[in-house]
Formats: sequence, C-alpha cells, structure tokens
Amino acid sequence: ELKVEQNPLFLSMQEGKNYTIYCNYSTTSDRLYWYRQDPGKSLESLFVLLSNGAVKQEGRLMASLDTKARLSTLHITAAVHDLSATYFCAVDMNGQNFVFGPGTRLSVLP
Amino acid sequence: EAGVTQSPTHLIKTRGQQATLRCSPISGHTSVYWYQQALGLGLQFLLWYDEGEERNRGNFPPRFSGRQFPNYSSELNVNALELEDSALYLCASSLDPWGGGYEQYVGPGTRLTVT
Repeated sequence: ELKVEQNPLFLSMQEGKNYTIYCNYSTTSDRLYWYRQDPGKSLESLFVLLSNGAVKQEGRLMASLDTKARLSTLHITAAVHDLSATYFCAVDMNGQNFVFGPGTRLSVLP
Repeated sequence: EAGVTQSPTHLIKTRGQQATLRCSPISGHTSVYWYQQALGLGLQFLLWYDEGEERNRGNFPPRFSGRQFPNYSSELNVNALELEDSALYLCASSLDPWGGGYEQYVGPGTRLTVT
C-alpha cells in the first residue's frame, strides 16, 4: 500500500528565513506533485516531478525529487507572508494509485 | 483559456438523498480526476476517467460513481448520502497522462453538506 508522509505537519517561520518541507513515500512511483491550498480554497498545482534528480523552481519555491530515497523536498527561500498556506505532496503510480500526503500548514510571520 | 469549472459551488442535501456534481475540464484535456477533501480525512483520490472510461477508483464504496461524457466533461454521483460524505469535492483535468500530460489543473470545488 502506497503511503505518503510529510514533515513537518505544521511550520511557523519568520519572514526572510529559509526552510524545507519533506515528503516521503513508501513505494516506487511515477510522478510526484506539489500543491498549495489557501484556507477555504481549491488546490493550486505547483510542480510535477517526473524523474530522479528533477528540480523545479518557481519564485521562492524549489522542489526536488530523489526517487532512490523516495523523498521529495519543497524548499522555501526568504519566506514572505504570501506563502502562508497548506502544502500537499501527492504521489502517482501511472494513475493506478494516487495518494496525497497529510499536508504541511505553513505560517509565515512578519 | 478557461480553467476547470465545477457546479454547483455549494450543495446541501439530506441523508439518504442523491447528489450529482459536475465538472468541465480545460479544453483539450481528456482526463478527469475526482478528489474528496473531508474534514479530518485529508485529500483522497476518488475516481479517474480518461477517454470516457473509468481508469481507476480509490477506496470508496460503490455508491460513489460517475461517468465521463463524449465532450470529456464528467459527473460524480453520490447515492444514499451519509453525513460523512460532507466534504469539498475537487475535480482536476489533464492532457493524456500516457502521452506525458501529467500536470493536473484543479477546479474550484463543490462543497457538499449532508444534513
């Protein structure tokens, strides 16, 4: 059974600081997704990572994938308040098994 | 380009009734995914349709069903509603995933409340 864990589940950080959210999964997968969700809103797709060593960056967010370690990271650089949201990773095995992590609730404090 | 649309935005039903939720994918997208986000249960995969066929379903009872129409829009039906079906239901679409169109675009959601 595919399981996805995220660490930490809650993160409170100061503006301007850097931090990393970790996503571990239990079995081989084809793709890893990162989403952002603001309170009461839908999901916003951030990144899709397809292969080992894949790295994608958008603004202050950078995601990477290590398929051998079954680990993806979402790195936040010089956080700003607008990044406050819940971040989900999700793992897909060619559509046969799509599992979300529990989410990391990020609060960026001034 | 219009995004994924879902209707209705909110739906209130009573226990035992049926609910129908609708989703229109982005033009050109053939795959539609349904997810449930219930309080305390997180996000769960419900159904995946591609080219009119159900390709996979998550761990949900048969009273959750759906279909995809020739224009690739999709409908999710929930029969014999139970209180725990109250949730935000999200629909996402993508290009042909086997062709590399993996990125999913998620709609605004339908909030279903069962009383």
